[in-house]
Amino acid sequence: ETGVTQTPRHLVMGMTNKKSLKCEQHLGHNAMYWYKQSAKKPLELMFVYNFKEQTENNSVPSRFSPECPNSSHLFLHLHTLQPEDSALYLCASSQDMQGYGYTFGSGTRLTVV
Amino acid sequence: EDKVVQSPLSLVVHEGDTVTLNCSYEVTNFRSLLWYKQEKKAPTFLFMLTSSGIEKKSGRLSSILDKKELFSILNITATQTGDSAVYLCAVINNFNKFYFGSGTKLNVKP
Repeated sequence: ETGVTQTPRHLVMGMTNKKSLKCEQHLGHNAMYWYKQSAKKPLELMFVYNFKEQTENNSVPSRFSPECPNSSHLFLHLHTLQPEDSALYLCASSQDMQGYGYTFGSGTRLTVV
Repeated sequence: EDKVVQSPLSLVVHEGDTVTLNCSYEVTNFRSLLWYKQEKKAPTFLFMLTSSGIEKKSGRLSSILDKKELFSILNITATQTGDSAVYLCAVINNFNKFYFGSGTKLNVKP
């Protein structure tokens, strides 16, 4: 384990379902990130939170809704997804916005059917 | 447009070979370049490079940055099957934005 824990590890959902991905870090970091990793594409940054405040939204569709209740927890709420949203969703955290101690979780493999 | 380009996209070698992975970048307000190894799922940190010409080493892995020519290389000597992974290069700018390359998939055969 890297210190950043993501659940579930795998998720299969229908296009009309609502589900949530969870990320938890016990590293004392203040910044948390959501990334999407699709096959044969570079890692795509989705959202950035610093001290629970969202600092970046990289033009992500509204069917992805992040939530950061505190510096240790980050959620990604999913609803009415499309099959092309199937990907590996990675959470990461860092000590601060300088990027020190950047650590990734193991990811959630999402399949939308 | 800021971007990070890695080459080759994939590579197959045999145990004991030495490999060199390349990462070139065009990122304004460059601050640092990072290398990660991704096996299965979570990328794990290898190196952070901020200054040109200073080689960083960790066992059989080493990396160096050239800020004039805008590239970095990651060398792996005496490769082992456990080195098989995707190696990711990322650049962080002064505004804390990360740019990732597509990765190089390395397959080390026995």
